[in-house]
Amino acid sequence: EAAVTQSPRNKVAVTGGKVTLSCNQTNNHNNMYWYRQDTGHGLRLIHYSYGAGSTEKGDIPDGYKASRPSQENFSLILELATPSQTSVYFCASGETWGTYEQYFGPGTRLTVL
Amino acid sequence: GDSVTQTEGPVTVSESESLIINCTYSATSIAYPNLFWYVRYPGEGLQLLLKVITAGQKGSSRGFEATYNKETTSFHLQKASVQESDSAVYYCALGDSSNNRIFFGDGTQLVVKP
Repeated sequence: EAAVTQSPRNKVAVTGGKVTLSCNQTNNHNNMYWYRQDTGHGLRLIHYSYGAGSTEKGDIPDGYKASRPSQENFSLILELATPSQTSVYFCASGETWGTYEQYFGPGTRLTVL
Repeated sequence: GDSVTQTEGPVTVSESESLIINCTYSATSIAYPNLFWYVRYPGEGLQLLLKVITAGQKGSSRGFEATYNKETTSFHLQKASVQESDSAVYYCALGDSSNNRIFFGDGTQLVVKP
């Protein structure tokens, strides 16, 4: 029944490897977001999307790419993973009217060795 | 710029005690900011606790409440009597309806002792 799901929930990657984090939403929201959360930094926006085929850079896009192939799916891609990208990643979908509330997935814990 | 500052954690209180987590915001480029409190329980994603879109209004949920004060640019979270199940990380957030973005504070970990 969860409206925003993420996979994998946990991932260990090697430095220089490619990592893809996936997000799926059943809220039928146009907007989707990728954040990372590190101790002392709160949530920082990496990339976001206003709909299928669109991606926008957030506040910390360097080292990340995003892909929105459909309304439901939004992926975050680390082409060459580095240890500094070790973090917890959250995906969210968001309303485009009203209060513009966002709905979050459970998070993916990524460790880059 | 647009930002949120909130009480640095962890905040530790005993069950049945009162709680206040301070939040102040800066909305230099947002004409009509929306204000939110989100909560993250262990092992889960963030979920909305309460929201207020009009200055001067109060939002409430699960015994928590917060008032949108435009004069002091504050949105403090309060609860009269906390429970152990309230232990979580609380995030104050500022929404910009012009681009559908939300700016989050760093989060405040709340630990409620039995």
